[in-house]
Amino acid sequence: EPEVTQTPSHQVTQMGQEVILRCVPISNHLYFYWYRQILGQKVEFLVSFYNNEISEKSEIFDDQFSVERPDGSNFTLKIRSTKLEDSAMYFCASSAGLPANTGELFFGEGSRLTVL
Amino acid sequence: QKEVEQNSGPLSVPEGAIASLNCTYSDRGSQSFFWYRQYSGKSPELIMFIYSNGDKEDGRFTAQLNKASQYVSLLIRDSQPSDSATYLCALDTGRRALTFGSGTRLQVQP
Repeated sequence: EPEVTQTPSHQVTQMGQEVILRCVPISNHLYFYWYRQILGQKVEFLVSFYNNEISEKSEIFDDQFSVERPDGSNFTLKIRSTKLEDSAMYFCASSAGLPANTGELFFGEGSRLTVL
Repeated sequence: QKEVEQNSGPLSVPEGAIASLNCTYSDRGSQSFFWYRQYSGKSPELIMFIYSNGDKEDGRFTAQLNKASQYVSLLIRDSQPSDSATYLCALDTGRRALTFGSGTRLQVQP
């Protein structure tokens, strides 16, 4: 069964460092997303990406964050100058169409980021 | 104002009972509603989605939607210990993504 894969599963970094989280969405999907979940809190939307550009972003997704689809398979989230409060589980997701139309986001297993 | 509200729980039910999980939302423009299950430390997985008022059944699960009352629920019949998880209500608010509630933790007692 096709699945969304994420690497690394866990990354520990020092405050102020840059991190890149990688995702391989399901191959025929067109919409890609990043969500994050701080421990014990809700799943929060960061950004959606379609047709090689950001289609929507939340207030969380400020200049510290960027996304890129560097090739035909990878989808990356870059966090510059990490802060303690960036510690969270970051989920990549993909969908064949808009959630309202197709009904399902497929989530990866997540990348746990710990900022020390 | 919170967009999606859920009781955090835990909701504790005995094995074999019906678990009823509820969710209210504030955006009357929401058209699509989703229930996800999340085991501790794992990613959300879709249980079912519903677009129209009324009930939608899938196996042991029934989703109920009442747009006039801005209310969506999930019933789990014949609850099993393996159903113990956090259940996330999510909706499409017209943005190109889903907005999630904080989730209700369900505990099914053997």
